[in-house]
Amino acid sequence: EVQLVESGGAVVQPGGSLRLSCAGSELTLGHYTMHWVRQTPGKGLEWVSLISGDGTSTNYVDSVKGRFAISRDNSRNSLYLQMNSLRTEDSALYYCAKAFYYDGSGRAVFDVWGRGTMVTVSS
Amino acid sequence: DIQLTQSPSFLSASVGDRVTFTCRASQDISTYLAWYQQKPGKAPKLLIYSASTLQRGVPSRFSGSGSGTEFTLTISSLQPEDLGTYYCEQIYTYLRGVTFGGGTKVEIK
Repeated sequence: EVQLVESGGAVVQPGGSLRLSCAGSELTLGHYTMHWVRQTPGKGLEWVSLISGDGTSTNYVDSVKGRFAISRDNSRNSLYLQMNSLRTEDSALYYCAKAFYYDGSGRAVFDVWGRGTMVTVSS
Repeated sequence: DIQLTQSPSFLSASVGDRVTFTCRASQDISTYLAWYQQKPGKAPKLLIYSASTLQRGVPSRFSGSGSGTEFTLTISSLQPEDLGTYYCEQIYTYLRGVTFGGGTKVEIK
């Protein structure tokens, strides 16, 4: 069964760091652009970051630019999100998601999601 | 940033009812809109993309329509397993990031 499995979530103090991982099962992540999306009860679903299949192109939501870094290791079939200078507002369930390009526009939706890993930033 | 407004935020309906939700975009997004279903404790699941194309494996009672700034998701005959929250997503600005609506929570009476 095609799966994405996130790990690395934890409780961390404000200003701290955390590294999330996402592993693919029955899915070769290196073939796809991958994303991180987070969810909170208050703000709902929020896109966080993307990385191209070869890792050369990345982008971030403004609120995490300069603090988070997305990366991938295609030899390990894994995706990562390094989160530094964490703030209370970064508390969320973090999902990794696979991009599905359905036409030639360069735009994609998310057709495979992991189950998420919880990050809590609190003193 | 493109904002998506979903209505209603909560809907209670009976099995067999036809239900429709709306998603309005703050600017023209053509048909670059998707719908997801999220059941309690689960990740979102892709239902519809390109405003009206049903994802493989999704029951045909789900349908989507619209373009520009107004979109709808319809369930032709509500089933017990359809409870959950439904989100729209715009991918018009995909390379700069995407945005989601606030969701419509569906309860089965």
